[in-house]
Amino acid sequence: DAGVIQSPRHEVTEMGQEVTLRCKPISGHNSLFWYRQTMMRGLELLIYFNNNVPIDDSGMPEDRFSAKMPNASFSTLKIQPSEPRDSAVYFCASSFAVGGLGYTFGSGTRLTVV
Amino acid sequence: AQSVTQLGSHVSVSEGALVLLRCNYSSSVPPYLFWYVQYPNQGLQLLLKYTTGATLVKGINGFEAEFKKSETSFHLTKPSAHMSDAAEYFCAVSDSSGGGADGLTFGKGTHLIIQP
Repeated sequence: DAGVIQSPRHEVTEMGQEVTLRCKPISGHNSLFWYRQTMMRGLELLIYFNNNVPIDDSGMPEDRFSAKMPNASFSTLKIQPSEPRDSAVYFCASSFAVGGLGYTFGSGTRLTVV
Repeated sequence: AQSVTQLGSHVSVSEGALVLLRCNYSSSVPPYLFWYVQYPNQGLQLLLKYTTGATLVKGINGFEAEFKKSETSFHLTKPSAHMSDAAEYFCAVSDSSGGGADGLTFGKGTHLIIQP
């Protein structure tokens, strides 16, 4: 099992550009989560999907952020346009059970917006 | 709504000394509780979890934690620190009922420093 796979590992982009982060969950997991980690705010849940359907996106900071899960094996988090304050590490996690059990994190994407 | 408070953003102990990382939670339903460890430039790895049953939970790398409902605490301990334990540690809570969000709510983390 390759675990949760995120790409790219690092992304440097200029302010105003569109950024797309990708995640492949573990096969058989039916929940997928996107988190953002910063020094100031710690780990924040942005959005989560269950059976490919967005369930709770209340953590998405603003309309510049959007997430999709077109099928059970792929999800994207898009920022358009990007801003320097979006610089953070973005983690994807997947799970097969309720209550946070079976959670597995990807290695993260470090985003730097200059 | 659930929340987690980790006391101390940085904890420093000597190699071989007791490690104690504090975590208090708030939850309106019976919680599931977790400790995760994050090494530099890596994702989070599960150390241990409490769901039901025995309140003293043992995890990997010699860590354990005790669920104390009366104190709403889930402190992480290790009898003897090793240099390889230096990392960021996160306490997390989730809703065990399954009726709410399945996402974990994390504390802000505690950076554990091991002095030689």
